Amino acid sequence: GQNIDQPTEMTATEGAIVQINCTYQTSGFNGLFWYQQHAGEAPTFLSYNVLDGLEEKGRFSSFLSRSKGYSYLLLKELQMKDSASYLCAVRDGDYKLSFGAGTTVTVRA
Amino acid sequence: GAVVSQHPSWVICKSGTSVKIECRSLDFQATTMFWYRQFPKQSLMLMATSNEGSKATYEQGVEKDKFLINHASLTLSTLTVTSAHPEDSSFYICSASPERSLGNSPLHFGNGTRLTVT
Repeated sequence: GQNIDQPTEMTATEGAIVQINCTYQTSGFNGLFWYQQHAGEAPTFLSYNVLDGLEEKGRFSSFLSRSKGYSYLLLKELQMKDSASYLCAVRDGDYKLSFGAGTTVTVRA
Repeated sequence: GAVVSQHPSWVICKSGTSVKIECRSLDFQATTMFWYRQFPKQSLMLMATSNEGSKATYEQGVEKDKFLINHASLTLSTLTVTSAHPEDSSFYICSASPERSLGNSPLHFGNGTRLTVT
């Protein structure tokens, strides 16, 4: 199976920046995804990295280093609505998508 | 685009009965769909890969005779939980990706089905 690790919980203040790290070990690699999931809802796609480097999409950015098996999701200008679980997911050589346990981010006023 | 619809959103059933969950890709065709299960405060666990016109591929530890998957068309996959028990109570989510860009396209998820077995 795949091994995907990310912190369980993080807390930050509204307007601040939070970085969620993810490390992974997989058999083959076909991309790393970040999803946002609010309680009781399905995940929604945030970002995708397949090459090394930084991908920026508005307030959210994601970074990948394939040699280190490492990624992070950067959330800037935090808003209360950003309180959610953030899932790191890796697509392996068979194109199966495996998820980390998720990081619960709590944004405080 | 790339909308995945899942039905029902929630279902309550008695122990021993069977429940069918439908997953449809509304604006694209998908020869492959994926079924995940999520227990409270845990991550999504892949149960099986649904293949149109052929047998599903199940992950280790998932009983294929209990979780029946049928992928009869390019836009519909169904998951039937047979002889459901309380431990099967969970959040079941399907996902799919437009075929032509499977390599770099994210999976799009249905809204999930909350199953409660009493």
